[in-house]
Amino acid sequence: QVQLVQSGAEVKRPGASVKVSCRASGYSFSNNFLFWVRQAPGQSLEWMGWINTANGNTKYSQKFQGRVTISRDTPARTVYMELSSLRSEDTALYYCARDVRRQVLLETYNWFDPWGQGTLVTVSS
Amino acid sequence: SSELTQDPTVSVALGQRVTITCRGDILRSYYASWYQQKPGQAPVFVIFDKNIRPSGIPGRFSVSSSGNTASLTISGAQAEDEADYYCCSRDSSGNRVVFGGGTKLTVL
Repeated sequence: QVQLVQSGAEVKRPGASVKVSCRASGYSFSNNFLFWVRQAPGQSLEWMGWINTANGNTKYSQKFQGRVTISRDTPARTVYMELSSLRSEDTALYYCARDVRRQVLLETYNWFDPWGQGTLVTVSS
Repeated sequence: SSELTQDPTVSVALGQRVTITCRGDILRSYYASWYQQKPGQAPVFVIFDKNIRPSGIPGRFSVSSSGNTASLTISGAQAEDEADYYCCSRDSSGNRVVFGGGTKLTVL
């Protein structure tokens, strides 16, 4: 089955960087974009960016521009999200999610399915 | 505005019908998708604006939309439907992705 498996929890000091991985299985890796979404404790979901796994092109939310880098290792079927200059407000669960795209006539339908299990990143001094 | 607004909490009696709404200007231009999140778990895709559901999601989940409002309806809510529900809207190229604040559904 289609599955996204993320790396384990991380504890980082303020100012450090963290790199979270997301390994895909059960489908053709290059057929779907992969998105990163985070969820602070008790909060809603927040889009961070995506990568086109076919060519490596990326797009980042303006909020994270300059601090986030999304990359891929195609043979390993793995996508990475690196967030730098960490601060306490970056403490959150970080999820990867596969972008599903369906073309119907002239319209494109998109949704996220499935999601990785989440990676807790704690930023604390 | 790029925000999506949801009621923070909604409750429903077991077996009854409940509707969760999501409002925002972005919905005038783009479709909505809905996600269910149970405590300690990752979000799960439930349904897309055209009533497209993944296998495994029961038919009691349906959606509708009009103007700036998207609605998720559960017809005959079950105890296992108790969860947080998030709406999401985005353009097809992924340059704009917005999530709602979430609705905590309690099944009484």
